Amino acid sequence: QKEVEQDPGPLSVPEGAIVSLNCTYSNSAFQYFMWYRQYSRKGPELLMYTYSSGNKEDGRFTAQVDKSSKYISLFIRDSQPSDSATYLCAMSARRNYGGSQGNLIFGKGTKLSVKP
Amino acid sequence: NAGVTQTPKFQVLKTGQSMTLQCAQDMNHEYMSWYRQDPGMGLRLIHYSVGAGITDQGEVPNGYNVSRSTTEDFPLRLLSAAPSQTSVYFCASSPPGTVRVIFGSGTRLTVV
Repeated sequence: QKEVEQDPGPLSVPEGAIVSLNCTYSNSAFQYFMWYRQYSRKGPELLMYTYSSGNKEDGRFTAQVDKSSKYISLFIRDSQPSDSATYLCAMSARRNYGGSQGNLIFGKGTKLSVKP
Repeated sequence: NAGVTQTPKFQVLKTGQSMTLQCAQDMNHEYMSWYRQDPGMGLRLIHYSVGAGITDQGEVPNGYNVSRSTTEDFPLRLLSAAPSQTSVYFCASSPPGTVRVIFGSGTRLTVV
């Protein structure tokens, strides 16, 4: 079993829909949970991160972490065509030298398409 | 402030050739890393560095070498290219005390 599981989709929704993206994981040592957005032929860009369990909101985006279930989610409200991209969950278990969060374990990514 | 800069953007190699993928960051980040991204596999860590002179292996290090002589640069060397190394390679860096890993725009490598 891979450490991080993510449904690759593709997921197609109409503009204005609420989108729910999810990942499950098996390593209970993960402490940092991140969502990246990757447009076609571009590098991943960090959308949101959460430390341990709980919710975090940023505009139309909400990230949730449930460590007891080893389950994380990203919700996108009022989805827009510009949200069409691949969404990658990523997790980290430790801090490296200098305090950085170290190495990331990624899910495979979910390809989202928002239709006008 | 250019962020993380990768060169070249595209490269075609013949099996057995060697080459170096360049990565530079101008943010004075101590931590730098290399990932490869393959269809259906997600991003996987190849090598990483927590500062000048310090490197370590990630999940898929075989066939790759790295060195870190300066804070700014973290080149990735393919010693003898194989078709299995056809992939998109991303360099990344992050500042200490944060979870903000910043990625470059990638190098698309094809080995024929």
